[in-house]
Amino acid sequence: GENVEQHPSTLSVQEGDSAVIKCTYSDSASNYFPWYKQELGKGPQLIIDIRSNVGEKKDQRIAVTLNKTAKHFSLHITETQPEDSAVYFCAASLGGNQFYFGTGTSLTVIP
Amino acid sequence: GAVVSQHPSWVICKSGTSVKIECRSLDFQATTMFWYRQFPKQSLMLMATSNEGSKATYEQGVEKDKFLINHASLTLSTLTVTSAHPEDSSFYICSARMGGQPQHFGDGTRLSIL
Repeated sequence: GENVEQHPSTLSVQEGDSAVIKCTYSDSASNYFPWYKQELGKGPQLIIDIRSNVGEKKDQRIAVTLNKTAKHFSLHITETQPEDSAVYFCAASLGGNQFYFGTGTSLTVIP
Repeated sequence: GAVVSQHPSWVICKSGTSVKIECRSLDFQATTMFWYRQFPKQSLMLMATSNEGSKATYEQGVEKDKFLINHASLTLSTLTVTSAHPEDSSFYICSARMGGQPQHFGDGTRLSIL
């Protein structure tokens, strides 16, 4: 089955700096890669996603890149703000049905 | 945007009790619903996938007689933890999707078994 690895497990950045979280996956058939933000005591919230026919996608301060050949994808957050502090999960999926989640990255943005 | 409501948000009960958790899609019809379990500071672990009107498909290692899932309508799925014990204490999260759309998650239910 699919195996998703996520790094780093914790990340601290100064407010205004950029944050990058990286994930790798093992199944080359996976074609959908969402990123979720989870705040304490809440469910994950979809923040951005990318499909395998696209190499990069951007939504304001958030961008995701995908390298199908290397089987890795990354989340980029620019101009970080304290409210960006949360746990971020990547996931890989074939067709958006069964998700395989990464182990999560706890992001802390220091004011 | 798509909203998934989960109820209750927190439940505490005695060992041996059965607990039902509801998951509702509020503004879309969920052809598929998923149930996850999450331990503190860990990732989400898929327990089962359910399609409306059919039996749920359980992941390996998940006891289907322990975790009963019903997906009776396009907007409601329930997870019943039968005869719950302290080791069943966890954060249970549902998600729902319509067709090929992304999964949207509920806010989870914290289950504490005394």
